Parts: sequence; C-alpha cells; structure tokens
Amino acid sequence: KAGVTQTPRYLIKTRGQQVTLSCSPISGHRSVSWYQQTPGQGLQFLFEYFSETQRNKGNFPGRFSGRQFSNSRSEMNVSTLELGDSALYLCASSVQTGNTEAFFGQGTRLTVV
Amino acid sequence: DAKTTQPNSMESNEEEPVHLPCNHSTISGTDYIHWYRQLPSQGPEYVIHGLTSNVNNRMASLAIAEDRKSSTLILHRATLRDAAVYYCILKGQSGYALNFGKGTSLLVTP
Repeated sequence: KAGVTQTPRYLIKTRGQQVTLSCSPISGHRSVSWYQQTPGQGLQFLFEYFSETQRNKGNFPGRFSGRQFSNSRSEMNVSTLELGDSALYLCASSVQTGNTEAFFGQGTRLTVV
Repeated sequence: DAKTTQPNSMESNEEEPVHLPCNHSTISGTDYIHWYRQLPSQGPEYVIHGLTSNVNNRMASLAIAEDRKSSTLILHRATLRDAAVYYCILKGQSGYALNFGKGTSLLVTP
C-alpha cells in the first residue's frame, strides 16, 4: 500500500511570505504528526492531529499551525516566514494516537531566502 | 520530557552484531522506549518499541534493563544498508516526543 506522501518535496519562499505543506497519510491511518528537522536543533515535534482535532502540540510559535481533514489528510501552515524556518518538514502517520508505530514521509525541504 | 543519552557515533563490521546503547535514567513508569533510524535523505523509519519486556521483530531486538534506566538496540547482523542515524526516544502516554535528540550515527564497513 502507498506510504506517506508529502507535497511539495522542495519549496523556496521569501521572508515574510506564508507557506502551506501537505501530507497524505497511509490509508486507514487517522493520526498525523508534523516535525521540523534542522542541523542545529535536530528533529522537533510540531503537533499531532487525530480525527481532525489537534491532540498534542510542541514548543513552536503560533506562526506554525495545522489542520486535518475528514479524510485524514493534513496541512501545516507557516506564516510570516523567517530565515530560521528553513528546514526539512516531516509528516508521520499512525493508525491511532498513542504509542504506536509511526510511518514517516520523505519530507518537504523548505528554504527561506 | 524525559531525556535520552546516546553515543554520537559507532562503527561496526558488516555481518557482525551491533549493540546500540541508550541511557534514560529519568524515565517514568509510563514512558515507552522507541527506536527509529534515518537513512541519508530519507524520513525516519520505525525500528522497534517496548515498555518493560525485551522485544523482537524482523529488524532488531530491544533489550530493556530491569530498572528501565537504559536499553540496547541489537542488530543481529549488520549490513551496509543499516548505516544510518539511530534515535532512541521516550514517549509518554500521549504518544509523542518533543525532540529526537542527536542519535547515534552508525557506520558499517565491509
């Protein structure tokens, strides 16, 4: 069955703009989590959605937001982009929330110039 | 958020067993121990997880100390494809970890 699909794979944006990233989870998976990976900070948790509700949230400013649709697809949005937002954004899906196996996509590489 | 400590890097010969250690002395009773690995230019890949008992799957084994303050990921026969960064993380009942840490970079040589 198809894995986690993230689009687009690469993105270049200008400071001050906003960006929306998309994640399609594995069929049947209802939990979607988002992570930011940078060389300096490593892999950091942004938020998790389950059944269209945000269940958990990491330590990121309000510029980072997300949502989940009824088909479990998820989007994350970053407003007023800063140079420091340049990172690999990863999405992971699980059958359910909690301590289960998570399947990651290949990520979206965002570069802010 | 409970923290884990892993060596920065380890090296192994191909076809030999590899023992990747992880210390988590502040683990709470409800924290699960998860291992993921990340190959270059890919997203992390689930390896194994456990709570108290040792766990085995097709990829690896997880040995958890009796006091749960440390654990070891065992790759029974390393292959070149096992070269990756291995992350040991703790997830509470909510099922998420704030940060994966730096992990252990495993080098496998032929």
